[in-house]
Amino acid sequence: DQQVKQNSPSLSVQEGRISILNCDYTNSMFDYFLWYKKYPAEGPTFLISISSIKDKNEDGRFTVFLNKSAKHLSLHIVPSQPGDSAVYFCAVLTTGANSKLTFGKGITLSVRP
Amino acid sequence: KAGVTQTPRYLIKTRGQQVTLSCSPISGHRSVSWYQQTPGQGLQFLFEYFSETQRNKGNFPGRFSGRQFSNSRSEMNVSTLELGDSALYLCASSLEVWGQGVEQYFGPGTRLTVT
Repeated sequence: DQQVKQNSPSLSVQEGRISILNCDYTNSMFDYFLWYKKYPAEGPTFLISISSIKDKNEDGRFTVFLNKSAKHLSLHIVPSQPGDSAVYFCAVLTTGANSKLTFGKGITLSVRP
Repeated sequence: KAGVTQTPRYLIKTRGQQVTLSCSPISGHRSVSWYQQTPGQGLQFLFEYFSETQRNKGNFPGRFSGRQFSNSRSEMNVSTLELGDSALYLCASSLEVWGQGVEQYFGPGTRLTVT
């Protein structure tokens, strides 16, 4: 049972344009939603997160939007840069005694120069 | 501060063997989590340790086990290796247990190949 779904395995965008990475989840009880970026041969790097009580969080070129009614999360990167080319993982976090971080399968973003 | 370190970086084992992977968290971090990454399943949570106690466990068979030492270093053991255990195993550390923070710092991973 996949709790976190990243249905598009890959995305290709032109440098300078907007990249929109999508993520759907099934459980309304998650406390935080996170995005990680991963380059080959490296561990994932935390990118940005959003609390379940908010609908938007912005950090520089990265903005995460949360639509709780649709159980949908998206990451906007604008403007996209070639160095953004990586695998992006959406993750959901339940806190408390049995806290657990659950990741999606990832989306490979390619930013063309 | 040094980041999360994992040893070895690459490992080749034969079916039926066992393997032990090591993770040293960032200094001061007490929570260590392990993940398995495969092309088909993405990142999957294995277990989390805090202060030498396993606090949470993912949906993996009992062949996968771990432990944490008093200095917060952690080891993960896989017994009776199967071909499907070939994966990148990632370790992540955080300052506190998950309920109090949302940032985990990942190591580079150990690439395990089972032949």
